[in-house]
Amino acid sequence: NAGVTQTPKFQVLKTGQSMTLQCAQDMNHNSMYWYRQDPGMGLRLIYYSASEGTTDKGEVPNGYNVSRLNKREFSLRLESAAPSQTSVYFCASRRWGENTEAFFGQGTRLTVV
Amino acid sequence: GEDVEQSLFLSVREGDSSVINCTYTDSSSTYLYWYKQEPGAGLQLLTYIFSNMDMKQDQRLTVLLNKKDKHLSLRIADTQTGDSAIYFCAEIPNNNAGNMLTFGGGTRLMVKP
Repeated sequence: NAGVTQTPKFQVLKTGQSMTLQCAQDMNHNSMYWYRQDPGMGLRLIYYSASEGTTDKGEVPNGYNVSRLNKREFSLRLESAAPSQTSVYFCASRRWGENTEAFFGQGTRLTVV
Repeated sequence: GEDVEQSLFLSVREGDSSVINCTYTDSSSTYLYWYKQEPGAGLQLLTYIFSNMDMKQDQRLTVLLNKKDKHLSLRIADTQTGDSAIYFCAEIPNNNAGNMLTFGGGTRLMVKP
């Protein structure tokens, strides 16, 4: 049982390049989330998908797009990477409900030079 | 998460107790959480407390909730070097449609042998 799987684990991009971060969960969870983690700022929500077929902006959506491809997969795309997007990105999923545990992937460390 | 605040750093000696503090702003949050992040890993749920409780104990962990002051704390008894990690408190504000977690900035706990 893999849980939440993110790929890649590490990536270096040049400013202006694009890339897609992949996330898949095998727990049949309805909701999926993309967070970024920066030192001293905790995790900030970029986008989320409350259920298959819906996506919504979080706290820091600028410069990103997402696709909820199916119930398992939720990808995050950077169309034109900027140094400010250097961060560690975490995907999470949870079953719908008031108090359900969120499961996190191992993270993608992205550096934009 | 600007709405949830934590101190950045805590250092203790092995065997001592650690107390990690958190203040939150949404008094209507039903559940409050503590997550642990070990180096290079994603977040894992450590414990949670329901908002109608003052205290919850789980082995070496004690969670205290002061709803009047919107203050949450995590006490780790007999702290071990394996407890060295970043600890995040989190809430699910009632006003969000995605049932998503809002995190504090994280407290880095360092345990000295």
